[in-house]
Amino acid sequence: DAGVIQSPRHEVTEMGQEVTLRCKPISGHDYLFWYRQTMMRGLELLIYFNNNVPIDDSGMPEDRFSAKMPNASFSTLKIQPSEPRDSAVYFCASSFHKGTRGGYTFGSGTRLTVV
Amino acid sequence: TQLLEQSPQFLSIQEGENLTVYCNSSSVFSSLQWYRQEPGEGPVLLVTVVTGGEVKKLKRLTFQFGDARKDSSLHITAAQPGDTGLYLCAGPVMRGSNYKLTFGKGTLLTVNP
Repeated sequence: DAGVIQSPRHEVTEMGQEVTLRCKPISGHDYLFWYRQTMMRGLELLIYFNNNVPIDDSGMPEDRFSAKMPNASFSTLKIQPSEPRDSAVYFCASSFHKGTRGGYTFGSGTRLTVV
Repeated sequence: TQLLEQSPQFLSIQEGENLTVYCNSSSVFSSLQWYRQEPGEGPVLLVTVVTGGEVKKLKRLTFQFGDARKDSSLHITAAQPGDTGLYLCAGPVMRGSNYKLTFGKGTLLTVNP
């Protein structure tokens, strides 16, 4: 298996532009998670899906952020409009279950810079 | 407020030295996980501990879960440059009927040759 695949690896955009991050989870995993990592706040859970359905989006910072999972093999995280404070590394992760025992498999992340 | 506090935040040592890093909380966890994150990559699961007092070994890495299941430690024997990375602990936190895996901020370990 190729693991969790994220694209793009790096994104530089101007303030106010729309940004779309993409994720392909491991086949057969029924949970998908979006995390954001910064030096100040560490890894923060933004939203997670179970069987393509959003379960908890309480970590989404504000309405500028939205996430979708149209099918079991694809998810997007969109920021519109983007702001400099959104600059961070965004990770997608997937698992067979909620992760109590087996843990999550993370992608390599998308480093977002908003100028 | 960080639910899982990790210490030290930064650690720089020479190859061959031993070290211990800590993960502490005021809350009880049903389990704790340790991940290692290398530069430019996502975290990779090392181990899950589930029983109070449990000790797990992974080659030169020894993980211990506190008796009260509020803390955990990671000990590395004879550290090597390949051990360099960010070590993160994580634990499940229930929010109503929902569940989220919450991470500490990590210990950034540098092992110098």
